[in-house]
Amino acid sequence: NAGVMQNPRHLVRRRGQEARLRCSPMKGHSHVYWYRQLPEEGLKFMVYLQKENIIDESGMPKERFSAEFPKEGPSILRIQQVVRGDSAAYFCASSPGGQGSGGYTFGSGTRLTVV
Amino acid sequence: GQQVMQIPQYQHVQEGEDFTTYCNSSTTLSNIQWYKQRPGGHPVFLIQLVKSGEVKKQKRLTFQFGEAKKNSSLHITATQTTDVGTYFCGGATNKLIFGTGTLLAVQP
Repeated sequence: NAGVMQNPRHLVRRRGQEARLRCSPMKGHSHVYWYRQLPEEGLKFMVYLQKENIIDESGMPKERFSAEFPKEGPSILRIQQVVRGDSAAYFCASSPGGQGSGGYTFGSGTRLTVV
Repeated sequence: GQQVMQIPQYQHVQEGEDFTTYCNSSTTLSNIQWYKQRPGGHPVFLIQLVKSGEVKKQKRLTFQFGEAKKNSSLHITATQTTDVGTYFCGGATNKLIFGTGTLLAVQP
């Protein structure tokens, strides 16, 4: 069981470029969550998805950020026209059921640096 | 919206001392979960509490869920250097909202 796979581990982008972060949930998990963590800070909820559906995007910035979890393939968090303030660690987590019952399994994260 | 607060933000203890972190939610929770994140690592699930007043133990760790299902605590007895990290509580409605975390430093 490979766990939650995120790639890339580290991503450097120049201001104005696009960042694409990928997450493959654990086998058998159909619920995916994205969180952002700034240095020395907590985990801030961004979006909750199930296959082909966005369940809750209340934590997503209104502009430049989007997420999807297609029928086939990984979940993608996309940040357009990145700015320095987007630099953070982005963690993906998955769970077998809603409400995180049984706990979330987190990936190792993608550390995004905007230069 | 739902908010989850944790105190203290930081705790420095001598090895062998006890440690407690407290978690409070602005809303009633369906369950509460605890995670540990080592420096430079990712959060790792420790435990889930579901019932009002529930108490669970894992070796030196004791977890409690308040009667009103709005607060929780994690207590570590006789800390060891391997306990170093940030401990997060997560309050569940349809997704987990995490507290601000408590960073535990243990001096040998």
